[in-house]
Amino acid sequence: DTGVSQDPRHKITKRGQNVTFRCDPISEHNRLYWYRQTLGQGPEFLTYFQNEAQLEKSRLLSDRFSAERPKGSFSTLEIQRTEQGDSAMYLCASSLDGGYYEQYFGPGTRLTVT
Amino acid sequence: AQKITQTQPRMFVQEKEAVTLDCTYDTSDPSYGLFWYKQPSSGEMIFLIYQGSYDQQNATEGRYSLNFQKARKSANLVISASQLGDSAMYFCAMREGAGYALNFGKGTSLLVTP
Repeated sequence: DTGVSQDPRHKITKRGQNVTFRCDPISEHNRLYWYRQTLGQGPEFLTYFQNEAQLEKSRLLSDRFSAERPKGSFSTLEIQRTEQGDSAMYLCASSLDGGYYEQYFGPGTRLTVT
Repeated sequence: AQKITQTQPRMFVQEKEAVTLDCTYDTSDPSYGLFWYKQPSSGEMIFLIYQGSYDQQNATEGRYSLNFQKARKSANLVISASQLGDSAMYFCAMREGAGYALNFGKGTSLLVTP
């Protein structure tokens, strides 16, 4: 069990550029979640996948954000036309099926938009 | 409105002492789950303990226990015999009903002193 991995760990980009992050969940987990965490706050939910289906999206996920999980394994989160307000830690988590199962988090991708 | 409230931005405890981190929650759904996570300076969220709304007994995991008072809507985390490695941010989170997202509080920074 290698845990949830995320790539890259850090990304610095200029405003207006597009960025893409990758998350590899724990292999037997069919649920995958994306959260965003800004300084001094707890993580905020962005979106959720059950296998390859995106079942829930937060209002925080503007139309500049898109997430995919094409084969029900890894997931990507893309931000188009980045803005300075997008600077945050992007956390991926995965879990088994069932609301009482804990979500296991990856190390996060820290995005800085200059 | 905040679903999860953590009123202690910072707590200090001496090594080997016990400490209680407060968490109150707000929901009208009879089915919910409460989670505590630890986030060290490295950034990764580490699951500590879970309490279901229908669980009759308070959850315990090693040195961690959850003081669940349903009528008061509180779910305080008790850490016994604190260790220097317990210094971190601690987040309380809730999942409501059939939802998938975790709603996190703003966290409490715990510093364990020698």
